[in-house]
Amino acid sequence: GAVVSQHPSRVICKSGTSVKIECRSLDFQATTMFWYRQFPKQSLMLMATSNEGSKATYEQGVEKDKFLINHASLTLSTLTVTSAHPEDSSFYICSARDSRDRGAREQYFGPGTRLTVT
Amino acid sequence: DAKTTQPPSMDCAEGRAANLPCNHSTISGNEYVYWYRQIHSQGPQYIIHGLKNNETNEMASLIITEDRKSSTLILPHATLRDTAVYYCIVRVRGSNYKLTFGKGTLLTVNP
Repeated sequence: GAVVSQHPSRVICKSGTSVKIECRSLDFQATTMFWYRQFPKQSLMLMATSNEGSKATYEQGVEKDKFLINHASLTLSTLTVTSAHPEDSSFYICSARDSRDRGAREQYFGPGTRLTVT
Repeated sequence: DAKTTQPPSMDCAEGRAANLPCNHSTISGNEYVYWYRQIHSQGPQYIIHGLKNNETNEMASLIITEDRKSSTLILPHATLRDTAVYYCIVRVRGSNYKLTFGKGTLLTVNP
């Protein structure tokens, strides 16, 4: 089945620095990717929708200047957390939609990236 | 998208069937019922989806009531690896593709 990877799986960074997380669709092309954030013991919250070749669409309350999203190719989207602070520590998950798949699943999720800001 | 209601937690004995309920009383005619699950510290995994007919695949069965106001996900022979949070999501298939995750049901399969 379709596979989505994320890199890195875990990252620890110091407060004030920026961190880039990659999301790749390994065996399909994804015109649309989604970025979610999940705090401990909470559900996934959609942060933004990433469309290849165009600007991302952010959900209400998500700072677009803080969470930079780039979807430069059909297989790669990146999320950059700029000037990270401890409250940005979270589990970041991406999903990708196979643009040719008219079938059931529609979205394939990555394994997630655990960000810890110290 | 219609709202769903799920019990916060359930227990099941290993080898037994796990029946996870979901209420979606405000579902509209063009909304599908999707089920995903999330094992601890992993990304969600698609399980099954349906519109009005019962569905079965290699992972589970989905039973949707005739009035479509509720559904049940059935794992026929639960294993310890099925311990996860199960999310029932109702949405129009092929719409903006956004998934709105509720709190889900934590299923714990006990040995």
